[in-house]
Amino acid sequence: AQSVTQLGSHVSVSEGALVLLRCNYSSSVPPYLFWYVQYPNQGLQLLLKYTSAATLVKGINGFEAEFKKSETSFHLTKPSAHMSDAAEYFCAVSDSGNTPLVFGKGTRLSVIA
Amino acid sequence: SAVISQKPSRDICQRGTSLTIQCQVDSQVTMMFWYRQQPGQSLTLIATANQGSEATYESGFVIDKFPISRPNLTFSTLTVSNMSPEDSSIYLCSVKPRGGMGLAGGQNEQFFGPGTRLTVL
Repeated sequence: AQSVTQLGSHVSVSEGALVLLRCNYSSSVPPYLFWYVQYPNQGLQLLLKYTSAATLVKGINGFEAEFKKSETSFHLTKPSAHMSDAAEYFCAVSDSGNTPLVFGKGTRLSVIA
Repeated sequence: SAVISQKPSRDICQRGTSLTIQCQVDSQVTMMFWYRQQPGQSLTLIATANQGSEATYESGFVIDKFPISRPNLTFSTLTVSNMSPEDSSIYLCSVKPRGGMGLAGGQNEQFFGPGTRLTVL
């Protein structure tokens, strides 16, 4: 069975600073990996996904993530944080196209002016 | 991408009552799921809604408490039965479209409805 661990339930960065949200996965087969964002009182929005093509994946809003098999990681980064990036971020894994996503516990990102 | 609507968007209910949440998708989808997001928590899968057969429940969730229907490829309902304050959560419908659409395409994307925010008093 697959699982996801997100290190750090809360990350705080200054506006303009690098954003790094950590995600490690466990899967017995090549995984499909996703990052979702949830703004306050809103639904989930897909940021980006990895499905065995390029290991560096670019998503919306300037975010990107790199799949590192040797480290079983899929960390989310953004070079320069913006106030509007403040939200809850969820990493999720699926082991095939037919199985539902399993989510990590989430990381709340705060951006300080 | 698939457009998903849920009704109601929110509700406040008395303990011991039941609430049925509807999920409507604008296109036929292969798979539909129901998740729960308790306050300040992540998403937990309740069940997979199977078209034409009984839903497949995850550990810790049972049909008597969360009966699910899926009469066709675009619609599903989740009922929260005999509610208690512990059932206060956001309930989300999620789908995997046929053929795959969305961010760079692909059949692996999973889309989420806006959620139903349930408060049980």
